Amino acid sequence: QKEVEQNSGPLSVPEGAIASLNCTYSDRGSQSFFWYRQYSGKSPELIMSIYSNGDKEDGRFTAQLNKASQYVSLLIRDSQPSDSATYLCAVLRDSSYKLIFGSGTRLLVRP
Amino acid sequence: DTAVSQTPKYLVTQMGNDKSIKCEQNLGHDTMYWYKQDSKKFLKIMFSYNNKELIINETVPNRFSPKSPDKAHLNLHINSLELGDSAVYFCASSRDRGLETQYFGPGTRLLVL
Repeated sequence: QKEVEQNSGPLSVPEGAIASLNCTYSDRGSQSFFWYRQYSGKSPELIMSIYSNGDKEDGRFTAQLNKASQYVSLLIRDSQPSDSATYLCAVLRDSSYKLIFGSGTRLLVRP
Repeated sequence: DTAVSQTPKYLVTQMGNDKSIKCEQNLGHDTMYWYKQDSKKFLKIMFSYNNKELIINETVPNRFSPKSPDKAHLNLHINSLELGDSAVYFCASSRDRGLETQYFGPGTRLLVL
């Protein structure tokens, strides 16, 4: 079992819709969770971090964390074609300071 | 004014050669990282230095050797390159280890022929 799992996609949504990206992790002791966005041929950039159960909103982005279910999600409201990218879920293994990435979900927003 | 820079951007070389990739950050961060991203886009930590001290040393072939001459620089030397080393190598930095946001460089695309 991979430590951080994501559906590879592509997830295709029409412009203006809500895109929902999901991630599960195996280390129950993990406390810190991140979503990075990576455009094709570019480097990853952080868009959200979340540390406690519940929702965290930042503009059109909402991160959701459920530690009991070992589940992290990212919602993108009013999706735009410029949101088309690969979204990487990352989990910090606190004991070793290692950031463990999932393989990413490719999102396509259709105009 | 680039925060995390890497050189070279592209590297095409023959099997068996030795090559180095350089990374510099001007953010004043204490911690720097090397990641490898393979053709399936899987991003995996290789090494990390905190204030010039090696703190993460993943299971990678010992043909890979990192070196941090100071807090702002982290280099990666690869001996006897193999076909499977072809990937994108990203340098990253963070203010400190742990919870801090990691800022990635533009990547070095290595192709071993």
